[in-house]
Amino acid sequence: DTAVSQTPKYLVTQMGNDKSIKCEQNLGHDTMYWYKQDSKKFLKIMFSYNNKELIINETVPNRFSPKSPDKAHLNLHINSLELGDSAVYFCASSQETSGGVVETQYFGPGTRLLVL
Amino acid sequence: AQKITQTQPGMFVQEKEAVTLDCTYDTSDQSYGLFWYKQPSSGEMIFLIYQGSYDEQNATEGRYSLNFQKARKSANLVISASQLGDSAMYFCAMKSIWDDKIIFGKGTRLHILP
Repeated sequence: DTAVSQTPKYLVTQMGNDKSIKCEQNLGHDTMYWYKQDSKKFLKIMFSYNNKELIINETVPNRFSPKSPDKAHLNLHINSLELGDSAVYFCASSQETSGGVVETQYFGPGTRLLVL
Repeated sequence: AQKITQTQPGMFVQEKEAVTLDCTYDTSDQSYGLFWYKQPSSGEMIFLIYQGSYDEQNATEGRYSLNFQKARKSANLVISASQLGDSAMYFCAMKSIWDDKIIFGKGTRLHILP
């Protein structure tokens, strides 16, 4: 009954490969996010989708492509992996902000990506 | 531009003592939310507490309370009666009602000593 789940939890791969990380939320939320946490623990947003539509796309290389088949899923595909892509990637979800209330974001367990 | 500042990179506290983790923020928006998240060594991000900018009362959740001082733009997290399991990284975060992204601080690593 995990609220936000990600697979895989660990991903070790060679430079140049293409890989995907999957995220699913069963909270009925409208908005999903991808964050990257670097080796210094700094968290930065990469993408945000609201009801399957892209609403935030920070300055992320176009090797990173999010895909949202439905509002409960937001997958992250990474092409031509580089050493600098090694990080922890977190998926998160929230209800859409409305009525002057900022909604809490709930995070998945993270995917630890190591590029060799 | 919005910004979150956590000035304490690390803290050591004796078990059972109260802990205050500092957080200041900068925004020109009037409607926003402030959050605290805990990241233990296992890596997951755990939501702890939320404070809305228009909330008059300080938020509390069990042993966690948020000392919200709007004029000073500070949102310190107070943990009462600390436990060994509180050892973790703690992140302060903010989201404006007009923005879709949360801005995180750099975090404070809290060590609880037995």
